[in-house]
Amino acid sequence: GNSVTQMEGPVTLSEEAFLTINCTYTATGYPSLFWYVQYPGEGLQLLLKATKADDKGSNKGFEATYRKETTSFHLEKGSVQVSDSAVYFCALSDQGDSNYQLIWGAGTKLIIKP
Amino acid sequence: DADVTQTPRNRITKTGKRIMLECSQTKGHDRMYWYRQDPGLGLRLIYYSFDVKDINKGEISDGYSVSRQAQAKFSLSLESAIPNQTALYFCATSDSGLAGVGEQYFGPGTRLTVT
Repeated sequence: GNSVTQMEGPVTLSEEAFLTINCTYTATGYPSLFWYVQYPGEGLQLLLKATKADDKGSNKGFEATYRKETTSFHLEKGSVQVSDSAVYFCALSDQGDSNYQLIWGAGTKLIIKP
Repeated sequence: DADVTQTPRNRITKTGKRIMLECSQTKGHDRMYWYRQDPGLGLRLIYYSFDVKDINKGEISDGYSVSRQAQAKFSLSLESAIPNQTALYFCATSDSGLAGVGEQYFGPGTRLTVT
């Protein structure tokens, strides 16, 4: 079956540090991949997505590349800010799945210290 | 105004009580979802609806029921609340079609505590 595995948190970094949050997946079909972000006290919002192998999604300085050979979609940012403190979720949707559901990772809490 | 609203935002109730969580959306989306969030477990799907006449069970539907009163409204009920239903509940919507599946729009959440 389909699944998503994220690195456990919390991840604590200093401001301006480089960020990587690992995400790997298993899928039986041809998934689309997503990163969502949940700021404190809010609902989730889509951060970026990639729909096919080698696609790079980007938004707000964050990037992630769909790597089919390593079944990964790691989230990166070159210089984090305190305002990036949030919980980040990796997810996939498999177009071969007639239920059309999103499969979610457990989330990774990111804490940025000034 | 927010595109997806949830009421109430916080609720404390006692074991055995019936409770309803409501969700409304102004995005015009056909698809609506109810999720539950517990620490370390990510999001788990309770129910989803692809239109007013279509209701589907998700991963953890036991103990819950839903009603899709209109395209814009989707309610979640706990018929007899129990303490392990204490969690953060999210409503979400998405457009129809394959591209819409992954792009979901979330409400702000309802924090439910069952004592």
